[in-house]
Amino acid sequence: AQSVTQLGSHVSVSEGALVLLRCNYSSSVPPYLFWYVQYPNQGLQLLLKYTSAATLVKGINGFEAEFKKSETSFHLTKPSAHMSDAAEYFCAVIMFSGGYNKLIFGAGTRLAVHP
Amino acid sequence: DVKVTQSSRYLVKRTGEKVFLECVQDMDHENMFWYRQDPGLGLRLIYFSYDVKMKEKGDIPEGYSVSREKKERFSLILESASTNQTSMYLCASSLPLGGRTNEQFFGPGTRLTVL
Repeated sequence: AQSVTQLGSHVSVSEGALVLLRCNYSSSVPPYLFWYVQYPNQGLQLLLKYTSAATLVKGINGFEAEFKKSETSFHLTKPSAHMSDAAEYFCAVIMFSGGYNKLIFGAGTRLAVHP
Repeated sequence: DVKVTQSSRYLVKRTGEKVFLECVQDMDHENMFWYRQDPGLGLRLIYFSYDVKMKEKGDIPEGYSVSREKKERFSLILESASTNQTSMYLCASSLPLGGRTNEQFFGPGTRLTVL
């Protein structure tokens, strides 16, 4: 069965510093992977998705993620953090079950950005 | 832009009450989902629907039911609310589940408190 693990429930960085949010997946089939962001008091918004094309995926707001099959990882990065990046980030994998595709979410990582 | 709206942002109910959470999407999506979000657990799927009057149990359906009488509307029902159902509830919609990379679009969430 597919699953995702996000390492670190809270990450804190300085403004301008590198952002690295970790996600490892488990999948018996080639995975389809997603990163979502949730700003305070809002729903989830898609940042980027991996669909078996290029292994380096670029998303919105300067974020990108690299799919590494050998490490079963899909870490999210941004070269320079901005105060507006403070949010909760969720990694997710598609699971095929009973004829339907479902999204399986990680527990989330809350990113804090300080001046 | 896809828009998913939820009837209430905040709701306070008493134990034993029947609670209705409403979700409406305006993009003619076939699929709709209900999740609950709890700290440290990420999002967990309660129910989903792939067509009008069709429903499938997710990972945590106990204590909940759903209704989909029209394509654009998906209701979550708590027959007899309990304190352990205090949570954030998120609705989402997407194109057919046959598309493995189909993005789910989320509503802003309803924070339900059961006293």
